Amino acid sequence: QQPVQSPQAVILREGEDAVINCSSSKALYSVHWYRQKHGEAPVFLMILLKGGEQKGHEKISASFNEKKQQSSLYLTASQLSYSGTYFCGTESGSARQLTFGSGTQLTVLP
Amino acid sequence: ETGVTQTPRHLVMGMTNKKSLKCEQHLGHNAMYWYKQSAKKPLELMFVYSLEERVENNSVPSRFSPECPNSSHLFLHLHTLQPEDSALYLCASSQIQRRGGSEEQYFGPGTRLTVT
Repeated sequence: QQPVQSPQAVILREGEDAVINCSSSKALYSVHWYRQKHGEAPVFLMILLKGGEQKGHEKISASFNEKKQQSSLYLTASQLSYSGTYFCGTESGSARQLTFGSGTQLTVLP
Repeated sequence: ETGVTQTPRHLVMGMTNKKSLKCEQHLGHNAMYWYKQSAKKPLELMFVYSLEERVENNSVPSRFSPECPNSSHLFLHLHTLQPEDSALYLCASSQIQRRGGSEEQYFGPGTRLTVT
């Protein structure tokens, strides 16, 4: 079952902050975050692992609540380049594969 | 070439044609994936080859057939497709840790497939 992302879309002005949420009904091993710009491939942003380990870009922050099976991606002081569709992908148990959410479309206006 | 490459980038085919999509990764990864991305739908995992095993999504029709001759190359063979198969097909690779869990996935640019 795919994770649920919210909101579906958000519009910001440059410099504003945004939070994108991802929740699953399954016990999760990890949560991955990717950004996809129109006409381009998804690009890795961050992995959050059960137990607290994180791996990702310095300017991106996220949290993973293992008990609630939820993750949030925090975009602070947004820039025009942050525009795109953000996907979370969840990994459960030993599946070694990701199930992606439907995406959050982020638009940053000047 | 670096990263993950896919050919062709665009493909138009009739329902009776047979074609193949090619993916190559230059990252030394041990897992490769095929995803389907349709408009306003989440990325749908079709096939995974990892640690010399193949895992497939049971909902994928048999008109899609993957082939992974080695850890660097992945093909998706297409035959007698339907118009609803028109989509962006993305290939990705990652490094699977034997103790469990995967590292980040690197995606190719995709093949935009149109079935007429």
